[in-house]
Amino acid sequence: QVQLVESGGGVVQPGGSLRLSCAASGFPFSNYAIYWVRQAPGKGLEWVAFTSNGGRNENYADSVRGRFTISRDTSKSTVYLQMSSLRAEDTAVYYCARDRDYGSGSYFSEYWGQGTLVTVSS
Amino acid sequence: DIQMTQSPSFLSASVGDSVTITCRASQPIRTWLGWYQQRPGKAPKLLIYAASGLQSGVPSRFSGSGSGTDFTLTISSLQPEDFATYFCQQANRFPITFGQGTRLEIK
Repeated sequence: QVQLVESGGGVVQPGGSLRLSCAASGFPFSNYAIYWVRQAPGKGLEWVAFTSNGGRNENYADSVRGRFTISRDTSKSTVYLQMSSLRAEDTAVYYCARDRDYGSGSYFSEYWGQGTLVTVSS
Repeated sequence: DIQMTQSPSFLSASVGDSVTITCRASQPIRTWLGWYQQRPGKAPKLLIYAASGLQSGVPSRFSGSGSGTDFTLTISSLQPEDFATYFCQQANRFPITFGQGTRLEIK
């Protein structure tokens, strides 16, 4: 069955860096777009980043552009989110999610991980 | 950016009731609209894609409609497990954006 497992969350000081991982299994990894979506405590959902099925295309929310980088390692079936220059407002549960559709995708997220909490605090 | 506005933000209903949640996009998005359910402490779950497509495994009491800028999610005959928060999401263009959420509580 499809599984997405996030890891790498924790407490980091403002200005610090952290790398999140999303280990995927149960589907042909190279054939699906993957997203990172975050949710600040008690708040709504915010899309953060996108990597296309082949990894050639990326896109970012303006709030993280230039500070976060999404990448994927096909050999490990893993997507990463490298986060730098972290701010208090980046505090959230970070989810990775798989697109519903094979190939170029639909931009709807069908499968989600359990989330990993990132806390930016001094 | 396309702004997504849901209403109401909070809804109180009883088991067996039918409820409707609306979502309005700040510009036309054709039918590139999805609905998600989120229970406390859990990841979101895709219910409806492309405005009216029922995601596999989702009960038929959930239905979606709309196109352009105005969309609705209807839940008929509410069940206890339906009391949760619902989000709409536009998939027309980047940046992907979500509505602020509608919290559905038991009356």
